[in-house]
Amino acid sequence: GDSVTQMEGPVTLSEEACLTINCTYTATGYPSLFWYVQYPGEGLQLLLKATKADDKGSNKGFEATYRKETTSFHLEKGSVQVSDSAVYFCALSDRDSSYKLIFGSGTRLLVRP
Amino acid sequence: DTGVSQNPRHKITKRGQNVTFRCDPISEHNRLYWYRQTLGQGPEFLTYFQNEAQLEKSRLLSDRFSAERPKGSFSTLEIQRTEQGDSAMYLCASSTAGTGSKNIQYFGAGTRLSVL
Repeated sequence: GDSVTQMEGPVTLSEEACLTINCTYTATGYPSLFWYVQYPGEGLQLLLKATKADDKGSNKGFEATYRKETTSFHLEKGSVQVSDSAVYFCALSDRDSSYKLIFGSGTRLLVRP
Repeated sequence: DTGVSQNPRHKITKRGQNVTFRCDPISEHNRLYWYRQTLGQGPEFLTYFQNEAQLEKSRLLSDRFSAERPKGSFSTLEIQRTEQGDSAMYLCASSTAGTGSKNIQYFGAGTRLSVL
């Protein structure tokens, strides 16, 4: 079945450092890809999405490009802030499976001042 | 748009008791999803409604679990004869029907269940 694998955390960075969180997927169809973020004590929030190959999703300085050839959707940010500290989840959904979201296990990011 | 609302936020119960959670989706959303999240893991799909019809159930949803969505509005998730392994965060999400941008799922803050 469909699945998502993302790099294990925690990832600890200093403020203004570059961030990459790796995400790869396995899917039989043509899924949409998402990054969700969970801040401490809050619910899941959509960070960005891409619905087809070569699409780039972006929001709040974060970017991810849908790479069909490598089945990847890596999350990147050029300069992280302390406020970016959270757990980041990569996910996919497919119209052939009720559009339910299949999540990776999450990557905790800690940004230090 | 008041977002997805879940109640209660926390529930502590003794093993063997029944519990019920409620989810109020965003008003114009006709798709509703339930997920379960255990510590250190990503959410796992439990079940899905389109309007009042329950269209898919995960094998994770044992016969002790039942979900309803009467009249296609709010939804309830009931767990009978709770077990310690049921302790988790239960998340509800809703979306409109359609593809692409219409299919974004918006999540509630969740109900955290602790079974003693």
